[in-house]
Formats: sequence, structure tokens, C-alpha cells
Amino acid sequence: DQQVKQNSPSLSVQEGRISILNCDYTNSMFDYFLWYKKYPAEGPTFLISISSIKDKNEDGRFTVFLNKSAKHLSLHIVPSQPGDSAVYFCAASANNQGGKLIFGQGTELSVKP
Amino acid sequence: KAGVTQTPRYLIKTRGQQVTLSCSPISGHRSVSWYQQTPGQGLQFLFEYFSETQRNKGNFPGRFSGRQFSNSRSEMNVSTLELGDSALYLCASSLAFEGHEQYFGPGTRLTVT
Repeated sequence: DQQVKQNSPSLSVQEGRISILNCDYTNSMFDYFLWYKKYPAEGPTFLISISSIKDKNEDGRFTVFLNKSAKHLSLHIVPSQPGDSAVYFCAASANNQGGKLIFGQGTELSVKP
Repeated sequence: KAGVTQTPRYLIKTRGQQVTLSCSPISGHRSVSWYQQTPGQGLQFLFEYFSETQRNKGNFPGRFSGRQFSNSRSEMNVSTLELGDSALYLCASSLAFEGHEQYFGPGTRLTVT
């Protein structure tokens, strides 16, 4: 039962353009969502998060949007840079589950110069 | 501030053996979670510890166990290793039990032959 889904395994974007990574979830108990970036042979790096009481959170070039009615969130990266090339994971947690994160399968972003 | 450290970084074991992995959280962080990453199953939650108590457990067999010490350092143990246990084992720490932002270590790559 995949509670968090990233339906696009890969995404290719030109440098300077916008990258949009999508994530869907099924569990209505999820109330906190996070995005992580991962390079091979390294641990995930925390990027940005959003609480279910908000619909948008920004941090520099990264913006996360949450649509609770659609159970959908997205990560926008503007402008995209070659150094952004990595695998991006969305994750979700429920308040009554403490620090248990449920991860999507990841989307590999390639930013071409 | 130093990040999450994990030792060893690489490990090769044979089937039937047992293994212990170690994790030192970010200074001041009291919650430690463990995850397993495999190509087929992605990132899966193993368990979480807070104040030396297991707070959450994922859907893994009893061969997987862990503990946390009074200084918040944590260990996980896998007994009777199987080939399918080959994976990247990631440790993450956060400030508190309800702290959702988790910061990951580089992982321990376990290979079972």
C-alpha cells in the first residue's frame, strides 16, 4: 500500500527554467510534508517542509504547494541549476506517529546546462 | 554543529551472521529514526527512539532491533542476516519526538553475501 506516490520517476529540465516535482498521498491523517534531496551514496538532505494548516511555503528558490482536497503537493525550483540534479523524495508524517516518515519512491531530476 | 554520523560506512557480512550499526545524532537532538533503502522498496521506516524508548516501529521482522542510550546515540542490530537485508541503512535525528524535520546521516551500506 503506497501511501505516498511520486508518479514521475524522472524529470529533465533546462537550466534557468522551472522544475516542478509532484507527489500524491492517500492517508488523510498525514499533517506534515517534507521534501528531501538525495545524491547517490549519501543520506537525504532536508529541503523544505509544510504543515497541513498552510498551502504554501517558500525558502529561496524552493516553494512547496499543498492541496489538501486533492491530497497533492508539489515542489517548485526556480530557477533550476545543474547542481539541483539529484533524486527528490517527498515524505509525509502523521502527528500521532511522531517521527515516522513515509517516503515516496523518488523523482530523479536532471538539470541540463 | 556536526551532523549525524554513522559507523561503519560499509560492511560486508555473510548470511546467518548478525550486525550492529551505530548512529550519533546531531548534538541536542533526542529522537533517532532508522530507515532502510533498497532499489525495490525505496526508503522504509524501521523504528524510532526517543528518550531511550522505542516510540514507533515499522513493518519489519523481529530480526531487526534497536536501542538508544542516555546520550541519544543509537544502535540497530540485525540478526540472522539474509541476502535481502543488503541495503543502505540510514539514521536520522530530530530535536524531539514530535519534531518532524529529520536530518539524515550518510548511511551504512550493508552487503550480505
